[in-house]
Order: sequence, then C-alpha cells, then structure tokens
Amino acid sequence: GQNIDQPTEMTATEGAIVQINCTYQTSGFNGLFWYQQHAGEAPTFLSYNVLDGLEEKGRFSSFLSRSKGYSYLLLKELQMKDSASYLCASKAGGGNKLTFGTGTQLKVEL
Amino acid sequence: DTEVTQTPKHLVMGMTNKKSLKCEQHMGHRAMYWYKQKAKKPPELMFVYSYEKLSINESVPSRFSPECPNSSLLNLHLHALQPEDSALYLCASSQVDSGGELFFGEGSRLTVL
Repeated sequence: GQNIDQPTEMTATEGAIVQINCTYQTSGFNGLFWYQQHAGEAPTFLSYNVLDGLEEKGRFSSFLSRSKGYSYLLLKELQMKDSASYLCASKAGGGNKLTFGTGTQLKVEL
Repeated sequence: DTEVTQTPKHLVMGMTNKKSLKCEQHMGHRAMYWYKQKAKKPPELMFVYSYEKLSINESVPSRFSPECPNSSLLNLHLHALQPEDSALYLCASSQVDSGGELFFGEGSRLTVL
C-alpha cells in the first residue's frame, strides 16, 4: 500500500525560502514527484527524484532520502505567483500508477 | 503541442442521464489516465491506459466506463451517477516509461443532480 503525509498549510514571505516536507510509505517505491496546482487549474509537473539526493531546477529544488522515506521541495526567492497547492506523489512498481498526497497549500504574503 | 484538451469544461447531469467526457492529446503519449478530484483533495487515480489497453482500474464503480478509441483519445462514459460523483475529472497523458511526468488537462467539472 501507499501512505503519503505532508503539511496541510504553510505561509511564507515574498522573497524568502520555504521547504515543504513529504514522508511516504510506498511498497515497491519507484520515484517521488512534486506537482504544483493553482486553484481551479490542473496540476503541473515540477520535479522527479528516484535516487537519493538533490535535484535543482531554477528556483525549485527537490530532495529525496529513500532510506528515510522522506522528500522535500525547496522554493527559493518566493513570488506571489507561487501561492498554490504543492502535491507530493509516489510511484510504485514499474507501472504508471502515481498516488498523490493531500497537498500543501502554500500562501505567499508580502 | 503540449496540451491535453478536455471537453466539456462543465457538465450538469441527472442521475438517469448518460453522458461522456472526452480527452485528446497529440504529444504521441501512449499512456492516458483518468483522475477524480474533489474540492481541497488530491487527485485520485481511476483508470490507466497503456498502448490503448486498460492497464489499471482502481476498483471504480461500473457506472464509470472508460474507452480509448485510439492513441490520441480517451473517453469516460457516465451512466446512472450519484450526487457524490460530483467532482473535477482530470485527464492526463505521459510517455509509457516517463516515470511520472504527467501532462494534465484542465478538467471537466461534473455536477450530478
């Protein structure tokens, strides 16, 4: 089975750095993904980690520790447009099944 | 073209109606998905098609019937739905071996009266 936990809400200040954590318990783990979803819109892909370590992509970075069942998404130089829900998702096995966490609603304030 | 197009954007139907949701992509993706999303909840996987064959059915009630007529199209046929089926239905596509980079459509918001 799969179990994914992430905080429900976070608030941060424009220009700051925020880290959104995700813990997972996934049988046959085969990758950890982060998606961004603005209210009323479709989710969009942000990052993918299958090996331990940090993946950096512009202002966004994602980290994975498979032994700890832990990932985080790091957002730097926060902008107001980063206010959105951030969904952690894990993949099990070799198929195309992604299971999403409940999402972390990030609010960026002035 | 990196879009997944879903129609209709909004649908209101009674419990005795039959309707269909449609999804189209022209990215050459051979995996297509239906997800259901309730307000303030994460997307929940319903069905996965790989190479036009149903590969995953997450124990979805038979009142939802998926169909993949060709590699670009995915339909979801709806019949005898319940009010609790009201939700946003998201279609997504990906390369079969992409890992998990899904491209989502904007969804069809369904209301069952």
